[in-house]
Amino acid sequence: QLQLQESGPGLVKPSETLSLTCTVSGDSISTYSYYWGWIRQPPGQGLEWVATIYYTGSTYYNPSLRSRATISVDTSKNQFSLDLYSVTAADTAVYYCARHSVAGDYWGQGTVVTVSS
Amino acid sequence: QPVLTQPPSSSASPGESARLTCTLPSDINVDYYSIYWYQQKPGSPPRYLLYYHSDSDKGQGSGVPSRFSASKDASANTGILLISGLQSEDEADYYCMIWPSNAWVFGGGTKLTVL
Repeated sequence: QLQLQESGPGLVKPSETLSLTCTVSGDSISTYSYYWGWIRQPPGQGLEWVATIYYTGSTYYNPSLRSRATISVDTSKNQFSLDLYSVTAADTAVYYCARHSVAGDYWGQGTVVTVSS
Repeated sequence: QPVLTQPPSSSASPGESARLTCTLPSDINVDYYSIYWYQQKPGSPPRYLLYYHSDSDKGQGSGVPSRFSASKDASANTGILLISGLQSEDEADYYCMIWPSNAWVFGGGTKLTVL
């Protein structure tokens, strides 16, 4: 059974870098036609896509975050990661990692990230 | 500003049907995209429900009851989620999504209240 588990610091200081990792179990991250990504949800708000990666290393970013985000994949560890630079309070959110295929999605449980000094 | 437009709220009584809409902007043709639907309850991650592209190309998420179904209204450039036989447990936020150019594009969500 596919499982995605987010990990990372729950608290990040303003102007610092937020680093998150998603560990995938129950399936290979290198499977053809699966895309992997990060979605976030600020408190009381809707869902916002952050970035997507394919196992080949092709990456796609939300234009509003492009200059501050880097998504990467480590196929040997079956993990993918997100770095978000120069964070502000507006980056406070629940961050979800997810897998997309044409037949639907699997999501992790999410990890709460608070940006505060 | 979400790209897909969903009514902020909707309500219906137990046993009735709820029809939730997701309108695409005029420059994105609903015929070209699968519409994905999610349910989110407080404190939980979004749960994938189903996708609909056409009557011959659709899929139900694992364990999702058949009373959740979807369709499109091409004349309104809109995707539709239909929940029949409403139950109290269906009270939740519902989000639609499309997948253009390897990105998740969401609607703003509809809060469904089961009266």
